[in-house]
Amino acid sequence: DAGITQSPRHKVTETGTPVTLRCHQTENHRYMYWYRQDPGHGLRLIHYSYGVKDTDKGEVSDGYSVSRSKTEDFLLTLESATSSQTSVYFCAIRKTAGQGNTEAFFGQGTRLTVV
Amino acid sequence: AQSVSQHNHHVILSEAASLELGCNYSYGGTVNLFWYVQYPGQHLQLLLKYFSGDPLVKGIKGFEAEFIKSKFSFNLRKPSVQWSDTAEYFCAVNSNNNNDMRFGAGTRLTVKP
Repeated sequence: DAGITQSPRHKVTETGTPVTLRCHQTENHRYMYWYRQDPGHGLRLIHYSYGVKDTDKGEVSDGYSVSRSKTEDFLLTLESATSSQTSVYFCAIRKTAGQGNTEAFFGQGTRLTVV
Repeated sequence: AQSVSQHNHHVILSEAASLELGCNYSYGGTVNLFWYVQYPGQHLQLLLKYFSGDPLVKGIKGFEAEFIKSKFSFNLRKPSVQWSDTAEYFCAVNSNNNNDMRFGAGTRLTVKP
């Protein structure tokens, strides 16, 4: 398995509280992604990063922010958690994108419940 | 807008039956295509990928997929499924023009022993 660690693996939080999920990689890959997985919707892209301090929005970025201050860490923050953000969150990494493409490798996921 | 569509939400087959799962995409430019599998309680794993060359690609566990550019499709096939193939299958697409990677809604496959 690719060296990707997500933390925490499970979290229950209250509505309105801030939450930060961490994705850590040991592969030195340039690209990192955050997805959420919900029944009937598959994986939807929240944000991604194409380098240190370089990030962009995905399909469902509202209510989420990200930061990447080091190659190995990509943080996803829910500024004020809502029940609609209850989901399983997956981090993925890719060595390259565009031409010379490679596939994405996924972390084990973080199950977040907002009550 | 870029999108990936998987036609079948839930497929139920008996062991030894043949499988075909549909995937269509709406992307401009040169595309790269992937099929991932997610076994219950696990993360996504790559089954196969297409970047260029022979449009018929073979993956792990006897799966294959065919890229048909004119139909914007990348359907997944397996001649004879096994009970252990029970999982959720996701099609994913990326183009050479951007850095993101989009997934379809997934198809849940149940194989009855």
